[in-house]
Amino acid sequence: KAGVTQTPRYLIKTRGQQVTLSCSPISGHRSVSWYQQTPGQGLQFLFEYFSETQRNKGNFPGRFSGRQFSNSRSEMNVSTLELGDSALYLCASSGQGGNTIYFGEGSWLTVV
Amino acid sequence: AQRVTQPEKLLSVFKGAPVELKCNYSYSGSPELFWYVQYSRQRLQLLLRHISRESIKGFTADLNKGETSFHLKKPFAQEEDSAMYYCALSGANYGQNFVFGPGTRLSVLP
Repeated sequence: KAGVTQTPRYLIKTRGQQVTLSCSPISGHRSVSWYQQTPGQGLQFLFEYFSETQRNKGNFPGRFSGRQFSNSRSEMNVSTLELGDSALYLCASSGQGGNTIYFGEGSWLTVV
Repeated sequence: AQRVTQPEKLLSVFKGAPVELKCNYSYSGSPELFWYVQYSRQRLQLLLRHISRESIKGFTADLNKGETSFHLKKPFAQEEDSAMYYCALSGANYGQNFVFGPGTRLSVLP
């Protein structure tokens, strides 16, 4: 089985721009969650989607949004980028009934 | 509020020595506790979860609800155990709302 796949792996954006990151979960997994990882704040939960519906949400501003498609693939969007948004964004998926999450390799976002 | 603390940023031990990575949590309820590990140049992966009560790669962890701790232990450390270790808590009745600790970097010296 292919693991969780995230694209792009690396990207550089300018302050004020917006960015979209993509995540393909493990085949058969319907739950996808997103995390932000920074040296200062560590791993922080952004949101989770299940069957195209946001099921949980972390404590991030409204500039951070996401969605999930019918094939369980998910995207997250960050609008009006700030320097502090520079981070590794991790996507994770899990199967139905399971509470074990499987992570992708992440998307490295640098905001300049 | 849910919170996970790992007091040691870096832990260095010699090969063959016992190792204990500390994790404490705060949560009003019955959480699920996990240890995740990230080896160099690899993705974050599950090491073990408390409800499984299993030993993975020689590591064990016992949930102590009285002390709100979930320390990770291994009697004899190996060089390949060198990695970043994260303790995590899931308190939602459903879903993947995980709270992660700051992580401890374990370095096993030859």
